Amino acid sequence: DGGITQSPKYLFRKEGQNVTLSCEQNLNHDAMYWYRQDPGQGLRLIYYSQIVNDFQKGDIAEGYSVSREKKESFPLTVTSAQKNPTAFYLCASTNRATNEKLFFGSGTQLSVL
Amino acid sequence: AQKVTQAQTEISVVEKEDVTLDCVYETRDTTYYLFWYKQPPSGELVFLIRRNSFDEQNEISGRYSWNFQKSTSSFNFTITASQVVDSAVYFCALSVRAGNMLTFGGGTRLMVKP
Repeated sequence: DGGITQSPKYLFRKEGQNVTLSCEQNLNHDAMYWYRQDPGQGLRLIYYSQIVNDFQKGDIAEGYSVSREKKESFPLTVTSAQKNPTAFYLCASTNRATNEKLFFGSGTQLSVL
Repeated sequence: AQKVTQAQTEISVVEKEDVTLDCVYETRDTTYYLFWYKQPPSGELVFLIRRNSFDEQNEISGRYSWNFQKSTSSFNFTITASQVVDSAVYFCALSVRAGNMLTFGGGTRLMVKP
């Protein structure tokens, strides 16, 4: 079945540590996105990529980094510069970057130890 | 800048009741797209509907219906005869340009009790 796979489902970060969240899709989508969801709040865009080897900052990119070396993969690194990383992270993709519906993964819950 | 407001943070109903989830949006663009997504307890967001700004026709899909009114900048979602499986967080979202950068509302948590 085609879809978006995020791993791990739960992740714990120690002080000063960088952690990487995985996002893989087999939908052959060009565009991929990372959103952050805080309790009781909507989703906020961290980074997005419309094509391989290219990505753009979203509204809350500080403390995060991404790469897009392959079409199917868009990993997100939460760096030690992100002082409040505890949140639910959602990856999404779409077949065209023209206001089509997004397909979402099942998310990663990141917590700080 | 765009903004989406879902004033109802939580709604609780009893099964078989009808329920309406409100969504009000702000944008200066004349071309835009509105979405509703459902987030069940499993976490992933599930697409429900997309509407463009030039199509004000109401939409009905089974027990779901959507009322889009440009005059009041609203895109409300009604569930008829609610069921326990409708319990979820529902998000309204807005997109105004290519690239699909959605602006989300804060979400409405719907609890349907048996």
